Amino acid sequence: NAGVTQTPKFQVLKTGQSMTLQCAQDMNHNSMYWYRQDPGMGLRLIYYSASEGTTDKGEVPNGYNVSRLNKREFSLRLESAAPSQTSVYFCASTPSGANVLTFGAGSRLTVL
Amino acid sequence: QKEVEQNSGPLSVPEGAIASLNCTYSDRGSQSFFWYRQYSGKSPELIMSIYSNGDKEDGRFTAQLNKASQYVSLLIRDSQPSDSATYLCAVNMMDSSYKLIFGSGTRLLVRP
Repeated sequence: NAGVTQTPKFQVLKTGQSMTLQCAQDMNHNSMYWYRQDPGMGLRLIYYSASEGTTDKGEVPNGYNVSRLNKREFSLRLESAAPSQTSVYFCASTPSGANVLTFGAGSRLTVL
Repeated sequence: QKEVEQNSGPLSVPEGAIASLNCTYSDRGSQSFFWYRQYSGKSPELIMSIYSNGDKEDGRFTAQLNKASQYVSLLIRDSQPSDSATYLCAVNMMDSSYKLIFGSGTRLLVRP
C-alpha cells in the first residue's frame, strides 16, 4: 500500500518554464490537497479538491493551476515558473471533509 | 492577521519536562482541530485531533480546546529528545469544512 505518491521528488526549473507535479493516492480517498512549505511559513494551502470533479482555491493559488484527473490523481501545474515558487510542495489526501490528512513525501522545486 | 497563529519558537525544555505548545485561530466557526508533528526533511504526521471543548489525552499527549477563546494547545508530558520536531496546528475553516489551514509551526527542542 503506497499511500500518497508524488513525482518528481526534485526539480530545477528556469524562470518562465512550465511543469506539472503529479500526485496519486491508492486509499480511495475523496479529498486531495496541495500545500507549499517555505522556511518559517508552515504549510500554506494552494488548492484543494473536496471530491472528484471539484477544485477550490486555498490561501496562495496565484501562479498555479490544478486538475483532479480522477479520484486517484490530483496534479499541480506551474505555467510560468517564478523564483518565488521555489518551495517544497506536499500533496495530501483524506477520506472526506476536515479529517486526518495523509501526506506524500514532498517535491522540492527550485526555480532559478 | 493569519488565520492560524503559533509561536515559531524554538521552545526548549529539558528531558522529562512538560512541553506546552499553543495555537490560536481566527474563524469562530471552525469545528475540527489537529496537531501534526514534522521532523526535519520529512512529511507531517498526525499527533492528535480534537473536536469538542475540553481535554483529549492519548499517551503522553494531551490536546486542549477552548472554542470561546479560540485557542487550542498540545501538552507533551515526560518529553523525550525524540520529540524534538516542529509541531503544526491545523484548523478547518467555516466557509468549507474541507479547507484545512495550518499555522507556521512551533519548533520544539528537548535537551537530554
